[in-house]
Amino acid sequence: GAGVSQSPRYKVAKRGQDVALRCDPISGHVSLFWYQQALGQGPEFLTYFQNEAQLDKSGLPSDRFFAERPEGSVSTLKIQRTQQEDSAVYLCASSFPGTLNTGELFFGEGSRLTVL
Amino acid sequence: SQQGEEDPQALSIQEGENATMNCSYKTSINNLQWYRQNSGRGLVHLILIRSNEREKHSGRLRVTLDTSKKSSSLLITASRAADTASYFCATEGTNFGNEKLTFGTGTRLTIIP
Repeated sequence: GAGVSQSPRYKVAKRGQDVALRCDPISGHVSLFWYQQALGQGPEFLTYFQNEAQLDKSGLPSDRFFAERPEGSVSTLKIQRTQQEDSAVYLCASSFPGTLNTGELFFGEGSRLTVL
Repeated sequence: SQQGEEDPQALSIQEGENATMNCSYKTSINNLQWYRQNSGRGLVHLILIRSNEREKHSGRLRVTLDTSKKSSSLLITASRAADTASYFCATEGTNFGNEKLTFGTGTRLTIIP
């Protein structure tokens, strides 16, 4: 597709449920990022892939959060045993890295997760 | 954690006026970028300024960067109602091979028609 696609756009989960959020990056984009955005705040980095390799997962808040990109294209962010504090918008972004200083990210519309 | 702090947190101006928002950051950077986010939408890239640049223009946007003060400003001239959005600065650090961006807290801009 023309842009980064995320699904579902909205997800309501009961506390303790597992959720999976999908990101379809722009075709050919090597780098993929997941961010978490709480209401009224800026996006907070979660994790970063280059192709299928997860190069940085320092932002994942707990071991309940897991991300994968097995074939270097589509990525899934999984949250196990959801808690109310996991309620946020989860943003996916992709880029095609070239030389340094060309790091524009292309964002999807986000997946809004509400944990009851 | 957020790298940048933006100032002001919220700004309301009349259509046609200029809007200025500021960003401060904490660590060395390769580049600094500004993004816009309309309510309920994803972020859209506006402009990128490299660490060795001091000023950059794109249409009605003007960005400055002062690495000695670790600060940047975004000026939007001749504002329009469609400029109403939240604006975020984002920095790319100097760790080779890690392109992650660290975002600021954002400025919520409202243009009054």
